[in-house]
Amino acid sequence: GQQLNQSPQSMFIQEGEDVSMNCTSSSIFNTWLWYKQDPGEGPVLLIALYKAGELTSNGRLTAQFGITRKDSFLNISASIPSDVGIYFCAGIFGNEKLTFGTGTRLTIIP
Amino acid sequence: GAGVSQSPRYKVAKRGQDVALRCDPISGHVSLFWYQQALGQGPEFLTYFQNEAQLDKSGLPSDRFFAERPEGSVSTLKIQRTQQEDSAVYLCASSLARVRTNEKLFFGSGTQLSVL
Repeated sequence: GQQLNQSPQSMFIQEGEDVSMNCTSSSIFNTWLWYKQDPGEGPVLLIALYKAGELTSNGRLTAQFGITRKDSFLNISASIPSDVGIYFCAGIFGNEKLTFGTGTRLTIIP
Repeated sequence: GAGVSQSPRYKVAKRGQDVALRCDPISGHVSLFWYQQALGQGPEFLTYFQNEAQLDKSGLPSDRFFAERPEGSVSTLKIQRTQQEDSAVYLCASSLARVRTNEKLFFGSGTQLSVL
């Protein structure tokens, strides 16, 4: 099935650094979502975006819905150890089901 | 329970064996989804129920996969004659809303299936 492309595939950063990741699609979406998945657990919704150009924050997380409706970005400021995990973007178009990205694995170096 | 519960957590099957994976959604949640997550990939949609009705099964990879939710709560995903390519984590998610496109999904921890 179709999956959205996420980059980078993995990131190794030091605690306290800011993180940026993005997600691109060949198709447009009218809802963009960002999830975090910890090892051995299911994804948990972090942020939902409903409008092109929208910028939404949730604590240290900020996400943007791209103007073209084909991309989205997630930033994490001042990373902490519990930010470790895999981040997935997901999109919804019309009445179609949720389509997930390929994931970005975040590792924090002590 | 407080969250979506899936059992077993781990299942090892010999190729050709049938398996059944169980999902207990959050009480009162109308919508239930099954996803398949291969190693290193994002979840991929398998099927969707609204109460006991299976409204979308377009993601089921073959006729060896079958899902049911007979009383509109607990759901079972059955895989017949398992193959090695069926090895994956199978995630169940539930939602209060009656729509397929709802983003407010609550996921279980998944069942990791390994087919030898």
